Amino acid sequence: AQTVTQSQPEMSVQEAETVTLSCTYDTSESDYYLFWYKQPPSRQMILVIRQEAYKQQNATENRFSVNFQKAAKSFSLKISDSQLGDAAMYFCAYSLGEYGNKLVFGAGTILRVKS
Amino acid sequence: KAGVTQTPRYLIKTRGQQVTLSCSPISGHRSVSWYQQTPGQGLQFLFEYFSETQRNKGNFPGRFSGRQFSNSRSEMNVSTLELGDSALYLCASSYAGLGRETQYFGPGTRLLVL
Repeated sequence: AQTVTQSQPEMSVQEAETVTLSCTYDTSESDYYLFWYKQPPSRQMILVIRQEAYKQQNATENRFSVNFQKAAKSFSLKISDSQLGDAAMYFCAYSLGEYGNKLVFGAGTILRVKS
Repeated sequence: KAGVTQTPRYLIKTRGQQVTLSCSPISGHRSVSWYQQTPGQGLQFLFEYFSETQRNKGNFPGRFSGRQFSNSRSEMNVSTLELGDSALYLCASSYAGLGRETQYFGPGTRLLVL
């Protein structure tokens, strides 16, 4: 069975500091894609960043970057220069490469940003 | 482009009733997926529709069903509602329904079953 594990139910970070959210996954497939989604109190799921499993280079989107360790099946999210607007629930998710849009989500990590 | 829209946004029903939720994908997107979000079970995949055909199904009872229309709009139906069906129901769309694509989510429908 394919699973995604987020071991940190809650994290706190000081504004302007850096925080890393952890995610591990389990799959026997070779073609898959990894995502981090953000869900603020409005409940709207917003894509933060994505990573193709076949790419060795870690994805980066402005202040957001990932540390993708394929052999360890680890996919952590680093948020630099944290802002108050980053406060949200963060979900790690993965999908298989071919047809059938089905995301498997982790349980989520609540990120609190302190001013 | 307009984003994914879901109607209604909030719904209150009683046990035993049925409910229909609607999702309009981003223009040009042909794949619509549905997810249930609850505090206890987290986010769980319900099913995915592409070109009016159900292509993937999660582990939910037959009371949960869906369909997709020729304009890619999708509806999901829950019959004989149970208290445990109270949840946020999210739909997401993508162009071709490939796993490599990013899914774009709607704002959700919050269903409360009394």
